[in-house]
Parts: sequence; C-alpha cells; structure tokens
Amino acid sequence: AQSVTQPDIHITVSEGASLELRCNYSYGATPYLFWYVQSPGQGLQLLLKYFSGDTLVQGIKGFEAEFKRSQSSFNLRKPSVHWSDAAEYFCAASNSGNTPLVFGKGTRLSVIA
Amino acid sequence: EAGVAQSPRYKIIEKRQSVAFWCNPISGHATLYWYQQILGQGPKLLIQFQNNGVVDDSQLPKDRFSAERLKGVDSTLKIQPAKLEDSAVYLCASSSRTTGGKYEQYFGPGTRLTVT
Repeated sequence: AQSVTQPDIHITVSEGASLELRCNYSYGATPYLFWYVQSPGQGLQLLLKYFSGDTLVQGIKGFEAEFKRSQSSFNLRKPSVHWSDAAEYFCAASNSGNTPLVFGKGTRLSVIA
Repeated sequence: EAGVAQSPRYKIIEKRQSVAFWCNPISGHATLYWYQQILGQGPKLLIQFQNNGVVDDSQLPKDRFSAERLKGVDSTLKIQPAKLEDSAVYLCASSSRTTGGKYEQYFGPGTRLTVT
C-alpha cells in the first residue's frame, strides 16, 4: 500500500539553529511529493512541491527539500529557524495526475529561545 | 483570488446527532476533496469529486457519511448519526492545474467537530 512516514513526532530546535524534518515514502512509482505546514487552528499551507527534475526544491519561508530516490526520502530543511516556524509539518505524496494526497502523521516543531 | 471557504469553523454535537459541513472551493477548480484529520494524525481522504461526479469514495463510511456537490461548485459533507470517533477536523481542498501541467491542492481552514 502507498504510505508516507514521518519518523519524528516532535522536534525541538533553538531559534537560529538549522532544521531537518524527515520524510520517507513507499510508492510503486516515484510520486509527486509535497510539504505542508499547519499552524494551530489553521488549514494546510503548501511549503514546496516536487514533481520531477531538479532534486533540490525551494519553497516559501526559506524552506527547501531534497528528493533522494535511492532512499525514498524527501527531507525538509531550513538553515536558520525562526520562532514563527513553530507548527505542525506534514509530508504528503500523490500519484501523478489529479489524485488525492497521502499524508504522513506529521512532525510537531517547537522553537525555543 | 479567494481561498477555499468552509463553514462552520467549529461544531459541538452529541453522539447520534447529525451535522453538516459546507465547502466553497476556489473559483474554477473542478476537483474538490474532503479529508478527515483526527488529532495527532495526518489528513485522510474521505471523498474526491470531479465537477459534480464522485471519483473516489472508497474511504467514506457510507453507513453514516454522505457528501454531495450538486452543481459542481459548493459541496456539503454530512454525518448522521455521529459517533464519538468522528471528532476530528474536516478539511476541504480544491485543486488546479499548474502551468507545468501538474496539480496542486489548496486547503480551507477546516471545520473542527467535537462529538460528546
């Protein structure tokens, strides 16, 4: 079955430190890959997406993600975290075309001073 | 452009009662999704519409959940009767085709349902 795994339930980082959130997928073919952020009481905001091509993708708010086919991974990174980045982060995947997303369980990011 | 609209934002009901949620997608988006997000989990698809037709409702608990999109625009999701385990955030999303021919989904703020 198609699945997305986010191994880390909760991560705490200091403000200004770098961040990496892990995401692994299990799909028959390389899926489309997405990272969304959800602040408390808010909907999901798309941070970045990977369809094909360049394996390093840039997103909004200074985030980037790297697709590694050999590891079935799509990890999210940010070089310097701000307190406003504290939120829940979801990795998602879909088959090509106009198809539903399969989400991971999310990683809650806390930022400390 | 206006985003995906959902109402109500919050709803508290007792078990065995019925409830309905409304979604208005982004103008021109033919595809509409309903997802259920239980606390501590990622969203899970309930149903996908293309215009006013159902594309995928395999994960919709049809004994109690129903959804419609009569004119291919707004959609309503109903639960009757509600159970405690239906407590969740119900997210509506609509999708559009990017300039590269791919699809992106845009999410509404969700409706938080609490069943007591």
